[in-house]
Amino acid sequence: NAGVMQNPRHLVRRRGQEARLRCSPMKGHSHVYWYRQLPEEGLKFMVYLQKENIIDESGMPKERFSAEFPKEGPSILRIQQVVRGDSAAYFCASSRRGGTEAFFGQGTRLTVV
Amino acid sequence: AQTVTQSQPEMSVQEAETVTLSCTYDTSESNYYLFWYKQPPSRQMILVIRQEAYKQQNATENRFSVNFQKAAKSFSLKISDSQLGDTAMYFCAFMKITAGGATNKLIFGTGTLLAVQP
Repeated sequence: NAGVMQNPRHLVRRRGQEARLRCSPMKGHSHVYWYRQLPEEGLKFMVYLQKENIIDESGMPKERFSAEFPKEGPSILRIQQVVRGDSAAYFCASSRRGGTEAFFGQGTRLTVV
Repeated sequence: AQTVTQSQPEMSVQEAETVTLSCTYDTSESNYYLFWYKQPPSRQMILVIRQEAYKQQNATENRFSVNFQKAAKSFSLKISDSQLGDTAMYFCAFMKITAGGATNKLIFGTGTLLAVQP
């Protein structure tokens, strides 16, 4: 049973470009969470999604950031017009409905140059 | 709002010895979980141990145990017989439980970098 898969592992974007980060949850998991880890900091919650629904986006920046979890395919975190301050590691986690444990992927390190 | 504080940015321990990492949290919730996660250089977040707030007994997983003091809002991690592979960043995390069940929305501390010396 494969774990949570995130790709790419590393992503370099120039300022103003778009970044698309993908997350495939563990088999049987219908809930996905995105976290951001800035250098020297802990992970900060961004958004919680179920299939085709955003449940909690209280941690998402109001502009340029969006997330989706379609009925088919991976969850996508999209950052438009990236800026240097978006450079961070972005982690995805997944869980079963009602589960008390979230399993994490290995993260995508985004570098904006 | 909940907060999680880890006041030890870095710690060092000799191989085979015991080390305790501190964590305090602030919440008005009565039903929640607390976690310790390990993040080695590979960046993978690995769950080390979990404690349900309603349980008085401290959780234990092999060489890892916690000292959960609910009234003091303290949740420390003890690593016994430290091994070189324990070298990692350790994060304490809080998760609220709502009437609808676990939220899985984790609030993390800033982490403690543990170095196990040979």
